[in-house]
Amino acid sequence: NAGVTQTPKFQVLKTGQSMTLQCAQDMNHNSMYWYRQDPGMGLRLIYYSASEGTTDKGEVPNGYNVSRLNKREFSLRLESAAPSQTSVYFCASRDNKYGYTFGSGTRLTVV
Amino acid sequence: RKEVEQDPGPFNVPEGATVAFNCTYSNSASQSFFWYRQDCRKEPKLLMSVYSSGNEDGRFTAQLNRASQYISLLIRDSKLSDSATYLCVVSPSGGSYIPTFGRGTSLIVHP
Repeated sequence: NAGVTQTPKFQVLKTGQSMTLQCAQDMNHNSMYWYRQDPGMGLRLIYYSASEGTTDKGEVPNGYNVSRLNKREFSLRLESAAPSQTSVYFCASRDNKYGYTFGSGTRLTVV
Repeated sequence: RKEVEQDPGPFNVPEGATVAFNCTYSNSASQSFFWYRQDCRKEPKLLMSVYSSGNEDGRFTAQLNRASQYISLLIRDSKLSDSATYLCVVSPSGGSYIPTFGRGTSLIVHP
């Protein structure tokens, strides 16, 4: 049981480049989330998907887009990366009883 | 007032000590409560859910006080391996289950 799998684990981008962060869960969870975590800021919600086929903005959606490809997969896209998007990104999914399960994170640096 | 507030610490305690953290929340409609543990440069992992009647898991005890809108985590007989950041998580009971994370309390257990 892999839980939540995120790829890549590390990435360095130049300003203006685009990339997609991949996330997949094998726990049959309906809800999935993308967070960023910066020092001193805690976890901030970028986008979430309450169920397959739906997505909604979170606290800090600007500069990002998401796709809920199917129940398992929820991807995050940076269309034109900026240095302010340097962060650690976590994908998570939710179980009604056991709370939120996180992927191992993507450490992104935009130069 | 922030939705979920935690003392950032750090709490610096010797091995074997008992330490307690509190977390206050502002949304009285919150229904689900969790404590997560996050090690440096790792993803948050569920430590325990917090139930209305309080619950215990080995050396860890969690309690909920709805009237005063706070949850607590008590760690007895602290181990070096307990050194981490402890995140308080508050969530509604339905809808998209969007959680609100506290910024975490840092615990350092020293020999």
